Amino acid sequence: NAGVIQTPRHKVTGKGQEATLWCEPISGHSAVFWYRQTIVQGLEFLTYFRNQAPIDDSGMPKERFSAQMPNQSHSTLKIQSTQPQDSAVYLCASSLGGNYAEQFFGPGTRLTVL
Amino acid sequence: AQSVTQPDARVTVSEGASLQLRCKYSYFGTPYLFWYVQYPRQGLQLLLKYYPGDPVVQGVNGFEAEFSKSNSSFHLRKASVHWSDWAVYFCAVSLYQGGRALIFGTGTTVSVSP
Repeated sequence: NAGVIQTPRHKVTGKGQEATLWCEPISGHSAVFWYRQTIVQGLEFLTYFRNQAPIDDSGMPKERFSAQMPNQSHSTLKIQSTQPQDSAVYLCASSLGGNYAEQFFGPGTRLTVL
Repeated sequence: AQSVTQPDARVTVSEGASLQLRCKYSYFGTPYLFWYVQYPRQGLQLLLKYYPGDPVVQGVNGFEAEFSKSNSSFHLRKASVHWSDWAVYFCAVSLYQGGRALIFGTGTTVSVSP
């Protein structure tokens, strides 16, 4: 079991460029979560999929951020026109999807916007 | 609104000494609570979880936590700290009775002195 895989581990973009972050959940897990971690804001929930369908995106910034889960083996988080304040570690987690299911976290992608 | 408070940003403890990390939650209903640990440059790992039932839960590596509804608390304990416990510890509550987004506290950094 390779755990949750996130690529790339580090990404540097220039202000105004687009960034796409990838997450491969644990095989058999039906729920995928995205979180953002910064020194100032701590760990923040962004969005959540179950069986590939978006369930809750209440934490997603309304502009420039979007997430998709085109198949059960991967999810993407896309940030358009990146800004320095988007710099953070983006964490992906997956779970079996039930009420008692614990979330398993990937190592994160560190995004730096210059 | 649901929230988690970890009042201690940093705790220093001697190796072999006991450890208690405090967590207070605000949640309408029955909370599902978690403690995660983050080692340097790694993702979050689950230490233990509380689902409605026995208020004292056992976790990995000798950690345990006690849920108190009257105090709205979920404190983490360890009887004898090892140098490898040097990490950041996060308390979290799950929305909507589990299986959904996690709301995290700000974390407590544990430093272990020889």
